[in-house]
Amino acid sequence: DIQMTQSPSSLSASVGDRVTITCRASQGIRNDLGWYQQKPGKAPERLIYAASNLQSGVPSRFSGSGSGTEFTLTISSLQPEDFATYYCLQYNSYPWTFGQGTKVEIK
Amino acid sequence: QVQLVESGGGLVKPGGSLRLSCAASGFTFSDHYMNWIRQAPGKGLEWISFISSPGSYSSYADSVKGRFIISRDNAKNSLYLLMNSLRAEDTAVYYCARGWLFPWGQGTLVTVSS
Repeated sequence: DIQMTQSPSSLSASVGDRVTITCRASQGIRNDLGWYQQKPGKAPERLIYAASNLQSGVPSRFSGSGSGTEFTLTISSLQPEDFATYYCLQYNSYPWTFGQGTKVEIK
Repeated sequence: QVQLVESGGGLVKPGGSLRLSCAASGFTFSDHYMNWIRQAPGKGLEWISFISSPGSYSSYADSVKGRFIISRDNAKNSLYLLMNSLRAEDTAVYYCARGWLFPWGQGTLVTVSS
């Protein structure tokens, strides 16, 4: 199985900050990676697919990069509605696997 | 718009069975493969099963293999998850999701407890 190591597990940031979250795959997954945002009590929503493609309707302050084994989600200027938990997902091979999640909290 | 609505969750005793449903609308259901994902209380996300668009191929996480069965009825635009031999550790919110996990339904809570 492909392991996805996501870091950090949590972070505190202020509105306007630039935030970076990383996922490392235990083996190469090309660009078969998505990023999801989840708010309490809600289903996850996809932000990024194919590592760097912005989902329609998602603000442009979100961006993704990487290929192979190392991937990054960047929020260029954190907004109040961005405080949530973020997950990466590899869909290169079954079983699909998620990172452990990154909780973004208000500083 | 694309909508997925799960149902069938509830309280079940250890060793019991439950069948979840996911009703799809707003897209051609038979063109897409489908997935189930779960999230235990306060924990992360776990992909548990996939089924191909015609329903001829499926795959499972090791944690549910041999106990859960995924199926679909393309005529009814519905996805199912039959869960047998349930354990306390199966307690979670269960989500269905289309294709590469977009979009997701709102989830249905399954609680396994005596």
